[in-house]
Amino acid sequence: RKEVEQDPGPFNVPEGATVAFNCTYSNSASQSFFWYRQDCRKEPKLLMSVYSSGNEDGRFTAQLNRASQYISLLIRDSKLSDSATYLCVVSFSNDYKLSFGAGTTVTVRA
Amino acid sequence: DTAVSQTPKYLVTQMGNDKSIKCEQNLGHDTMYWYKQDSKKFLKIMFSYNNKELIINETVPNRFSPKSPDKAHLNLHINSLELGDSAVYFCASSQDLRGQGLANTEAFFGQGTRLTVV
Repeated sequence: RKEVEQDPGPFNVPEGATVAFNCTYSNSASQSFFWYRQDCRKEPKLLMSVYSSGNEDGRFTAQLNRASQYISLLIRDSKLSDSATYLCVVSFSNDYKLSFGAGTTVTVRA
Repeated sequence: DTAVSQTPKYLVTQMGNDKSIKCEQNLGHDTMYWYKQDSKKFLKIMFSYNNKELIINETVPNRFSPKSPDKAHLNLHINSLELGDSAVYFCASSQDLRGQGLANTEAFFGQGTRLTVV
C-alpha cells in the first residue's frame, strides 16, 4: 500500500465552482501534512500546511482527520489560475523526507 | 535571486554515459533532497542529506551517487545511464527543526532537470 494515496481526478470544473478532494495516508505516526501545487512542467510549491484544527487560506480550506487518516482540500470560487496538480504530502517528525501522493489534477474552465 | 537552483535544466544523453546534475541552495537550510518524478508524475524520494551527511538512500541503484561538499550543495552523479533513468529530477531543501522538537518544514524545490536517455 502506498504511503499517500490521492484521487487522481481529473476534476474539470467551471469558473466559480467549488471543488474538493481527499488524500489518505497509511502511517498513523505521520506528523506533518501539506498541500503542494505543481503546474505543468514546473516544480512543486507549497500551497498550505495542514493543521489539526483545519485551516483556511483565502479560497482554500484544508482539513485533517487523524482518526480516519485523511486530509482534504477545498477550493471555493475556482479561478482559471487554479488549474494545476495538487500534491498531498505527509512526513514524520523524525524523518528526513516528505512523502508525496501522485497528485490530483484540477482543470478550471471558463 | 533563485533559492534552489539546479543545472542543467535539460539533459539528453545516450545510454551508458555518465552525467552529473548540480544543485545549490542559498536559503541556509540544513537538509537537502533529491526527488525523481517519473512519467506518471509520481514524486519519489531518492536521497536526503542533513548537514552534509547522508540520511536517506531510498533503495536507489548504486549507479546514482550523491555528493554534498557543503550544506549548500548537493550534486547527483549518475553512471552508466539507462533508458529507465529518463525522468525529471528535483533538488529540494528545507530547514531542519527536529532539534527543536518541531515537525518537518516546507521544502523548496529547484526547477528540475529533465533527463532523457536515448
